[in-house]
Amino acid sequence: AQRVTQPEKLLSVFKGAPVELKCNYSYSGSPELFWYVQYSRQRLQLLLRHISRESIKGFTADLNKGETSFHLKKPFAQEEDSAMYYCALSPGGAQKLVFGQGTRLTINP
Amino acid sequence: GAVVSQHPSWVICKSGTSVKIECRSLDFQATTMFWYRQFPKQSLMLMATSNEGSKATYEQGVEKDKFLINHASLTLSTLTVTSAHPEDSSFYICSARAESGTLRDTQYFGPGTRLTVL
Repeated sequence: AQRVTQPEKLLSVFKGAPVELKCNYSYSGSPELFWYVQYSRQRLQLLLRHISRESIKGFTADLNKGETSFHLKKPFAQEEDSAMYYCALSPGGAQKLVFGQGTRLTINP
Repeated sequence: GAVVSQHPSWVICKSGTSVKIECRSLDFQATTMFWYRQFPKQSLMLMATSNEGSKATYEQGVEKDKFLINHASLTLSTLTVTSAHPEDSSFYICSARAESGTLRDTQYFGPGTRLTVL
């Protein structure tokens, strides 16, 4: 069975500080990993996906197959980063997404 | 581009009635759409995968006769909650999978529909 775990429900950091949102997954095959973000009163939107290997809004995430992790990182947090972040997994070949529980990130001024 | 709409955005109905929720991909075609349910302060749970021109694929534990899905065109999927009960009250979110372009295979989400069953 596939599972995505985000151990932190809430995360609060100060503006300018580094931020890391943790994501671990359980899947026996080769998954695709995603980070989705939901800003206040907005719909869920894609932040980044591991196969793109790009940085979006200063965020990066590296897939670590040995540790089955896909942590989201940003070196200097900004107030506009405050949002709900969901890590998601798509089983190889399938199209559906399995979501983690989400982490609410708050950036304090 | 890649906008997904849902209608209605919220609905209140009486117990025992049926409610239809529409999901549309506005500027792209989607052979595959997905329906999720989200309880307060919880994550999204996939209910079913909607396939254009064929039957939907339901996740384990989701009653297909209660949650009827129709995907009659490449831009529209509907979810009908039949004989709704208060426990069906929830936030229902759809997504559509882009099949071409640079973000192929990405799911784009609708804004959600809040269903309250009295």
